[in-house]
Amino acid sequence: QQPVQSPQAVILREGEDAVINCSSSKALYSVHWYRQKHGEAPVFLMILLKGGEQMRHEKISASFNEKKQQSSLYLTASQLSYSGTYFCGTERGTGNQFYFGTGTSLTVIP
Amino acid sequence: ETGVTQTPRHLVMGMTNKKSLKCEQHLGHNAMYWYKQSAKKPLELMFVYSLEERVENNSVPSRFSPECPNSSHLFLHLHTLQPEDSALYLCASSQDYDGRTYEQYFGPGTRLTVT
Repeated sequence: QQPVQSPQAVILREGEDAVINCSSSKALYSVHWYRQKHGEAPVFLMILLKGGEQMRHEKISASFNEKKQQSSLYLTASQLSYSGTYFCGTERGTGNQFYFGTGTSLTVIP
Repeated sequence: ETGVTQTPRHLVMGMTNKKSLKCEQHLGHNAMYWYKQSAKKPLELMFVYSLEERVENNSVPSRFSPECPNSSHLFLHLHTLQPEDSALYLCASSQDYDGRTYEQYFGPGTRLTVT
């Protein structure tokens, strides 16, 4: 039931781009994205709903491909502050349980 | 205080102890959540409360007992825990929960160690 994220870890240089994927084996109603920095609480980035538009948070954007049951998070021109673990969370529909994914560790170096 | 606060931030307890974790949200939200975060595992949803009523209980052992006396406070009562219960326990809140999960605001967590 839990979505699977890829890659598990990625290291970038400042200014480079990255894509994080979140895949489910079941049809999805919504996908949520959070970032957790080391020793801190997860922080909400965005929600994508079935049939909704691509969302954006600063220079981070995300898409939701309903047919593929997959969401992708795009980090453009990465900054040092982007470092952390990114989690997707998914719901199959109203009344269904919310599951977080396995997480992707992102490290941005100068 | 603003946001979501949790106390204590660190807790060490023996397997025969009884302790409680406290969470308070200052956001005027109607829903509150308990999550368990273990090393190298996804965040696990434990309980969801909406307007002080428990709406989800995801096969959590009875040694964990939640309590939500009002929409601003959430407790997790612990007793007879096992070493594998050692983890970071995160509390979160959202504006509402109507069978769908909305944007969640997380507290800093309580780092629990069971000896």
